[in-house]
Amino acid sequence: DIVVTQSPDSLAVSLGERATISCKSSQSVLYSSNNKNYLAWYQQKPGQPPKLLIYWASTRESGVPDRFSGSGSGTDFTLTISSLQAEDEALYFCQQYYSSCSFGQGTKLEIK
Amino acid sequence: EVQLVESGGGLVQPGGSLRVSCAASGFAARSSDMSWVRQAPGKGLEWVSTIYSDGRTFYADSVKGRFTISRDNSRNTLYLQMHSLRAEDTALYFCARHYYESPVFYWYFGLWGRGTLVTVSS
Repeated sequence: DIVVTQSPDSLAVSLGERATISCKSSQSVLYSSNNKNYLAWYQQKPGQPPKLLIYWASTRESGVPDRFSGSGSGTDFTLTISSLQAEDEALYFCQQYYSSCSFGQGTKLEIK
Repeated sequence: EVQLVESGGGLVQPGGSLRVSCAASGFAARSSDMSWVRQAPGKGLEWVSTIYSDGRTFYADSVKGRFTISRDNSRNTLYLQMHSLRAEDTALYFCARHYYESPVFYWYFGLWGRGTLVTVSS
């Protein structure tokens, strides 16, 4: 089974500043036949289901603000929020879907 | 409107059984790959089970042999039958639709319900 680990578990960032969340998988999620990384990012606010932000490691879902970006390949990935807004305070999860699926433990993002 | 609505959660004793449902609207669940994902209180997300549009099913090791995923096409509804429930099964159970990029469904989720809470306690 592929284990996905996020860091940090929590972080506090000031409004307008950059927030960066790391995600590491225990084995590569890059599928050689199509050169795609099977990695997604979700945002979850209290009392709500997760919301898909990014898939294929760097493709933004329709309607997601362009301040959200994903990068990385193989086993190491990053979610970046370029200029933090108040509404970005939430829990963030990464998920691999290379083999079945598994989620990171989550990162709680708070406004400083 | 395209949506998923879960129901059927509640309080059940350890060793008991419960069936949760997920009513789909705005699309045909029978034509989609669908999953159950759970979230223990204050914890992260855990994949539980998947049913493909062709009927094939998959389970996490933690629930294999105790849970059964199924679908009623006439009701456009997904089910999760849970037996031999344990305290560690206590969670909010979400149903989710796999993302479709023609001609394949992938194992990430673009549509989620709001969840139904299952509490296993004596």
